[in-house]
Amino acid sequence: EVQLVQSGAEVKKPGESLKISCKGSGYSFTSYWIGWVRQMPGKGVEWMGIIFPGDSDTRYSPSFKGQVTISADKSITTAYLHWSSLKASDTAMYFCATSYGGPNRGFDYWGQGTLVTVSS
Amino acid sequence: QSALTQPPSVSGSPGQSVTISCTGTSSDVGSYNRVSWYQQPPGTAPKLMIYEVTNRPSGVPDRFSGSKSGNTASLTISGLQAEDVADYYCSSYTSSSTWVFGGGTKLTVL
Repeated sequence: EVQLVQSGAEVKKPGESLKISCKGSGYSFTSYWIGWVRQMPGKGVEWMGIIFPGDSDTRYSPSFKGQVTISADKSITTAYLHWSSLKASDTAMYFCATSYGGPNRGFDYWGQGTLVTVSS
Repeated sequence: QSALTQPPSVSGSPGQSVTISCTGTSSDVGSYNRVSWYQQPPGTAPKLMIYEVTNRPSGVPDRFSGSKSGNTASLTISGLQAEDVADYYCSSYTSSSTWVFGGGTKLTVL
C-alpha cells in the first residue's frame, strides 16, 4: 500500500529555518515524482514543486523558486521541504503527494499534511 | 504562470448535475491533455478524481466525468449526493514542465 507520512506540526518564529519531511513507503520511491502543495488558511491549494528522487531532478513553480528548497534522501525514502528564513506569510498547511500512477496523472497519493505556523 | 480560473462556487439539488469549468491558456490546458481534478472535503487532503482530462482512478464513481475544449476543461458531477460537498480543484501541466492549480470551486448540495 502506497503511503506518505509527513512530519508533525511546527511553530516557528520569523527568520528561523525549517525542514519538514514526507516519508514514502509501499512503492519504489526512486521511480516516481513527489511534490509539495501549499494551502494557506482558508485558501486554495498551490503547486510548489516536485522532485524525482531517482536523479534529484527538481522543478519549482515560479512563485516558489528561491523561496523554498525541495530535496530527497532516497536511502530513507524521504522528501523534504526546507525554508532558510521563514516569514509570517509561510503559515500554511503543506501537503506532499506523489504521481504514483505516472507523471501525466498529477498527484494520486497524498500525505496527511503538516501545519506550519510562523508567528513572533 | 497564473492560477487556472474556476468559478468560486456552484450548487445543485440532490440528483441533479453540476459542471465546474477550469479556464487556462494555450500554455497549459490548451496544449496538454494532462488535466486533473481533485476533491477536497473540509479538513482533509485532496483526492484525485479525474486525470488526463477524462480518466477516473479506480474507486471513483462514474458520476464524475471530465472533458476539455480548447483552453477550458470541465468536471461534471451527475446524480449529486450530499457526500459530494467539497472544494474542487483543477490542475494542468504547463509549458514550463510544472503544474498549476485552479483557484478552487466550493460545491454546495442544496
